[in-house]
Amino acid sequence: GDSVTQMEGPVTLSEEAFLTINCTYTATGYPSLFWYVQYPGEGLQLLLKATKADDKGSNKGFEATYRKETTSFHLEKGSVQVSDSAVYFCAVNTNAGKSTFGDGTTLTVKP
Amino acid sequence: DAGVTQSPTHLIKTRGQQVTLRCSPKSGHDTVSWYQQALGQGPQFIFQYYEEEERQRGNFPDRFSGHQFPNYSSELNVNALLLGDSALYLCASRLQGVTNYGYTFGSGTRLTVV
Repeated sequence: GDSVTQMEGPVTLSEEAFLTINCTYTATGYPSLFWYVQYPGEGLQLLLKATKADDKGSNKGFEATYRKETTSFHLEKGSVQVSDSAVYFCAVNTNAGKSTFGDGTTLTVKP
Repeated sequence: DAGVTQSPTHLIKTRGQQVTLRCSPKSGHDTVSWYQQALGQGPQFIFQYYEEEERQRGNFPDRFSGHQFPNYSSELNVNALLLGDSALYLCASRLQGVTNYGYTFGSGTRLTVV
C-alpha cells in the first residue's frame, strides 16, 4: 500500500533560519502530493500541493517540489517565523482519493 | 462559507460504550472521509463515503461504522469502545473526482475512553 516517511522531529530553529523537512513516499500510479499544517488544538490545514512530476507547490513562503525520480516532496522555507511553529504532515493521494499521511514533524521556532 | 464542522468537540466515554460523532462537510463538497489521529501520530484513514455508500475502508475493525445522509453530512459510530480508541477523530471533505485539491478538514472530536 501507499506510505509516507517524514523526517523525524522535533525540529527547533531560530527565527529567520532556513527550514527543510524531508518527505519520501511510496505509491502506485501518479499520486498527488500535499503538505498540511496542524496548529495546537486544531484540524489539518492544506499548506501546498503538487499534482505531477516537477511541479512546485508554494504558499506563505513555503515550497516543495514533486520529485518523481527520488519519490520525494521536501518542504522548505527560507526564513521561518515564530508563527510557523506547528506540526507539518506530508501526504499522498492516489487516484482513489484516499490520503495517506506521514507521522508529522513538529517545528518550534524560537525568537 | 462554513468549512467542515464536527460535533461534539470533546467527549468522554467509558470502555464498552458506544459513541456517535457527527460531521457536516464544506458547502459544495459531496465526499466525506474519517480519520483517526492518535497522539503524536499522523491521521489514519478509517473510511470514505460518497453517495451515501462506503467507498473505501482502511484497516479498522467492524466496530467502526458510518453513515452518510442525503445532505452529505456523515456520522462515525464506534461500538464496544476500547481504551485504545482514545484519539482525535477528524472529518475531511472534498468534491468527488477532484482528488488533486486535497481535503478540507474539520477541527476534530477529541474522544477519551476511560
